[in-house]
Amino acid sequence: DAGVIQSPRHEVTEMGQEVTLRCKPISGHDYLFWYRQTMMRGLELLIYFNNNVPIDDSGMPEDRFSAKMPNASFSTLKIQPSEPRDSAVYFCASSLVSGSEAFFGQGTRLTVV
Amino acid sequence: AQSVTQLDSHVSVSEGTPVLLRCNYSSSYSPSLFWYVQHPNKGLQLLLKYTSAATLVKGINGFEAEFKKSETSFHLTKPSAHMSDAAEYFCVVTPARGDSSYKLIFGSGTRLLVRP
Repeated sequence: DAGVIQSPRHEVTEMGQEVTLRCKPISGHDYLFWYRQTMMRGLELLIYFNNNVPIDDSGMPEDRFSAKMPNASFSTLKIQPSEPRDSAVYFCASSLVSGSEAFFGQGTRLTVV
Repeated sequence: AQSVTQLDSHVSVSEGTPVLLRCNYSSSYSPSLFWYVQHPNKGLQLLLKYTSAATLVKGINGFEAEFKKSETSFHLTKPSAHMSDAAEYFCVVTPARGDSSYKLIFGSGTRLLVRP
């Protein structure tokens, strides 16, 4: 398996624009996580899905952020409109079962100017 | 509720000397515990995991960790540091399998510096 695949690897956008980050989890994994990493706040869990259903979105910063998982092999994280404070590295991860380790993608480095 | 505390934000060692990265956890449930490593501008890689089997866990690259329930600790060690070990290390806690509140909770990270 190729692991968790995220795209794009880098994204530079202007404030106010819509940004969509994409993730393909490892085949057969039931859980998918979206994390954000910044110097100030470290790694923050934004949302996670179990069998394509959002379970906990309490970490989503505000209504500008939304996440979907239309099927078991694809998830998106959308920011609309984007702001400079959204600049961060966004990681997607997947895991097989509850309590097991998560496998991380390489991340998307987002810069909002 | 779960939480994890990494006691040192930075650890500096000389190449060839032992490494100790400290982690304490709090969990209402029997936990699973992990250590991840992140090299600069890279993703997170699993080093090792504890999931209620042997309390001394061996991982990749010569690292190991010991689960001590009485001390609620899961410290990461390596007998001899290598320059390539310089990275950020994260301790992670989650309820063991079967708990509905499955969340991977990350510590704040410890940056390991290895001096030549």
